[in-house]
Amino acid sequence: EAQVTQNPRYLITVTGKKLTVTCSQNMNHEYMSWYRQDPGLGLRQIYYSMNVEVTDKGDVPEGYKVSRKEKRNFPLILESPSPNQTSLYFCASNRANTGELFFGEGSRLTVL
Amino acid sequence: AQSVTQLGSHVSVSEGALVLLRCNYSSSVPPYLFWYVQYPNQGLQLLLKYTSAATLVKGINGFEAEFKKSETSFHLTKPSAHMSDAAEYFCAVSEPPNYGGSQGNLIFGKGTKLSVKP
Repeated sequence: EAQVTQNPRYLITVTGKKLTVTCSQNMNHEYMSWYRQDPGLGLRQIYYSMNVEVTDKGDVPEGYKVSRKEKRNFPLILESPSPNQTSLYFCASNRANTGELFFGEGSRLTVL
Repeated sequence: AQSVTQLGSHVSVSEGALVLLRCNYSSSVPPYLFWYVQYPNQGLQLLLKYTSAATLVKGINGFEAEFKKSETSFHLTKPSAHMSDAAEYFCAVSEPPNYGGSQGNLIFGKGTKLSVKP
């Protein structure tokens, strides 16, 4: 089954404790991206990647890092989480030249 | 720069009534336009997309949208609402690849939550 898998789905952590949200897709898509969803703000892109070792900032990259060492994986790293990073995070992937994003089920992160 | 405005953060309709969710876009190049739906506790899934072919686009679950360049609009409609349509709907815009668009770099609107009353 074609899917984008994110882990963990739910996480409560404390300020400053590094964490990684993993994302994996099994569709051999070139593009992968991370979004955060906040009430009243819709989805905002954090980072995106057009292929292995090619990443670029989205609209709200501050406080986040990503890496794309393999085509299928695109982890999101919060080196020193802060409460304003409490949000619902979505990973997505798509084939080049299409805008049809395939989304994971989301990771709800709470930073205390 | 591109942007999307969705008019109305909440829309409520009765079952069987017309659904109309409004989306206006701003783009300096001919856009690609999308509607995504998010059911509770789930990720987003594509409803339909406009990529410069037919201006009236049909999607899943009986939804359709019409691209109107003169009005810079891409409103989503469904003739008869069903209880299962209750969800949040997002309009999104991107630049086409031949205009140098970063595929996958969609700009989303803030969403419209649709409620359907029995």
